[in-house]
Amino acid sequence: AQTVTQSQPEMSVQEAETVTLSCTYDTSESDYYLFWYKQPPSRQMILVIRQEAYKQQNATENRFSVNFQKAAKSFSLKISDSQLGDAAMYFCAYRSGGGSNYKLTFGKGTLLTVNP
Amino acid sequence: KAGVTQTPRYLIKTRGQQVTLSCSPISGHRSVSWYQQTPGQGLQFLFEYFSETQRNKGNFPGRFSGRQFSNSRSEMNVSTLELGDSALYLCASSSGTGGKETQYFGPGTRLLVL
Repeated sequence: AQTVTQSQPEMSVQEAETVTLSCTYDTSESDYYLFWYKQPPSRQMILVIRQEAYKQQNATENRFSVNFQKAAKSFSLKISDSQLGDAAMYFCAYRSGGGSNYKLTFGKGTLLTVNP
Repeated sequence: KAGVTQTPRYLIKTRGQQVTLSCSPISGHRSVSWYQQTPGQGLQFLFEYFSETQRNKGNFPGRFSGRQFSNSRSEMNVSTLELGDSALYLCASSSGTGGKETQYFGPGTRLLVL
């Protein structure tokens, strides 16, 4: 079974600074997808960024980028120019690449605080 | 497009009762997945439905069941509620065609079992 580990329960960053959230995973599969989801307090979970395992290039979405190290099974999220609205719980998630498998395996989450 | 909606948003039940939660996916989406979120266990996959058929199932007891209707709306039922069933129940919808597609989450139903 796949597992996802987020070793940082909490992180804090100053507004406009850069922060990196860590995620490692364990799998024997070669085809899979990795995601970072953001869950603001009392609000809906939304997708921040995703990475296909077969792509070597790291995904980027505006101020959000990932460092995907497939051999090390590491998938960290970098948030640049942090904003107050980035404060949330961030979850790393894994999904098998099989066509009909929609199960997401989540890490325990990292609570990000943004200080003004 | 309207997002994923879940009803009710809050629910209080007592032990031994049963509860039914509803999820309406984004229009055109045929896959609905359910997750349980608790402080201790985090986010855990319950099951996924596609075109009225359960396609994947997590490791939950048989007290947890679900179904999907022809309009893709899904319901989740928990029978004989236990205190440990108190949680935020999230549903997520997607087209169901596989690949890298995004799953969109609803706001959740917060269930408190007394």
